[in-house]
Order: sequence, then structure tokens, then C-alpha cells
Amino acid sequence: DTGVSQDPRHKITKRGQNVTFRCDPISEHNRLYWYRQTLGQGPEFLTYFQNEAQLEKSRLLSDRFSAERPKGSFSTLEIQRTEQGDSAMYLCASSLAGGPGNEQFFGPGTRLTVL
Amino acid sequence: AQSVTQLGSHVSVSEGALVLLRCNYSSSVPPYLFWYVQYPNQGLQLLLKYTSAATLVKGINGFEAEFKKSETSFHLTKPSAHMSDAAEYFCAVSVRGSGNTGKLIFGQGTTLQVKP
Repeated sequence: DTGVSQDPRHKITKRGQNVTFRCDPISEHNRLYWYRQTLGQGPEFLTYFQNEAQLEKSRLLSDRFSAERPKGSFSTLEIQRTEQGDSAMYLCASSLAGGPGNEQFFGPGTRLTVL
Repeated sequence: AQSVTQLGSHVSVSEGALVLLRCNYSSSVPPYLFWYVQYPNQGLQLLLKYTSAATLVKGINGFEAEFKKSETSFHLTKPSAHMSDAAEYFCAVSVRGSGNTGKLIFGQGTTLQVKP
């Protein structure tokens, strides 16, 4: 399977703990996106990478959140000192560069539950 | 700023009936428009997209959508619903222009229920 993969699929943690999620995009895709989806809502943009450069961050991405894409391949999203409001599905997507009309391919998501 | 409004959070149709899911957008520049489908516990899958080549766009699984600039709409239709179409549907907009990242702005979603 050469689609976008995310790990873990589910994460349950206690408030105050740190968590890290991983996204492996489609190998030839140089654009990578993170979105957050809460129950009953559409996904909301968090951040965007082109290769290893993080080029845009949403105001939703507080200073407790950090994302990296060290070699322009896989990406990690870390949440420090988790809060109950962080409970959501975290989606990763990748696409080819060349224009905003290019299709984004989504992974299955990581569902985070903060107790 | 761009935004998307999906009218109706839940739509219920009978199997074989017409499916119509509504989407209106707001954008100060010509947008790219997308419809995605999400099945339970899965990621989003692209149904179709509008990038200005044609105003009537055909997608997968028999779905199509028509871009109407005068109405700022991009409604999704399918002539005959199947049970397998039951899912969550999202309309999204992306902004044209150099330097734009391609990030998607999503509507809140419409849950489609198909009754036997």
C-alpha cells in the first residue's frame, strides 16, 4: 500500500502528558499537511510543510504543539502538556507541489483521547 | 478570507433516490473547490474537484457537481443513491495564486443516510 499512513491510529493519554504522532506521506509528495477534526466538524488546517520547511502555521497551533519534517519525508506532530480540549482526530495529508488545485491524499488519522 | 457553508448537517434519502448535498463558498479570488467523502474510522477520499476546466465536474462513484459562480455554489449530486453512499461528505475550498499553500478550508460536513 503506497498511501498515506499514520501511527498510532488511537492514543489515550492523561491530561498533562506529552504525545507524538507520526505521518508517512506518499513517497514522491513534497507537500504535507496536518489537520485536526473534532466530532461533528470538518477538518481544520494546522500546519503545512513543503519538503522540510514549515511554511504556514494556523493560529490553532498553540505553543504546546510542534511539528517537524526533518528530511522532507515523514513528519511528526507533538503535543506537550495535553489538555482535554486536544481530544480530536489528527489527520495528515500529502500532495505534489505545483498548485493548490492538486489533490491532497489523506491518511486514516490518529484519534487522540485526553482523559 | 475563504469559507464554506454546507446546508444541512444530515440528509436522508431512499435507495435509488436523487442525492443533493449543498455547498456554498466565499472567496475573494477564484477558488478551487473539492468534495471529499469520509467513511467511519477512515481518512478522507476525494470525490471530485473544480479547477476551472469545466463547470460541471464528474467524479467517482457516479457523483457530479456544478460550479455556479453567480450563486457561489458547488452542490454535489448523484442520480440514484446506493446504500454504500452512506457516509460523511465535506466540501472544501482552496485558494489560487502563487505562494498559496494549497491548504483546504472545509465545511462542517453533511451526513448522508440512505434508507432501504
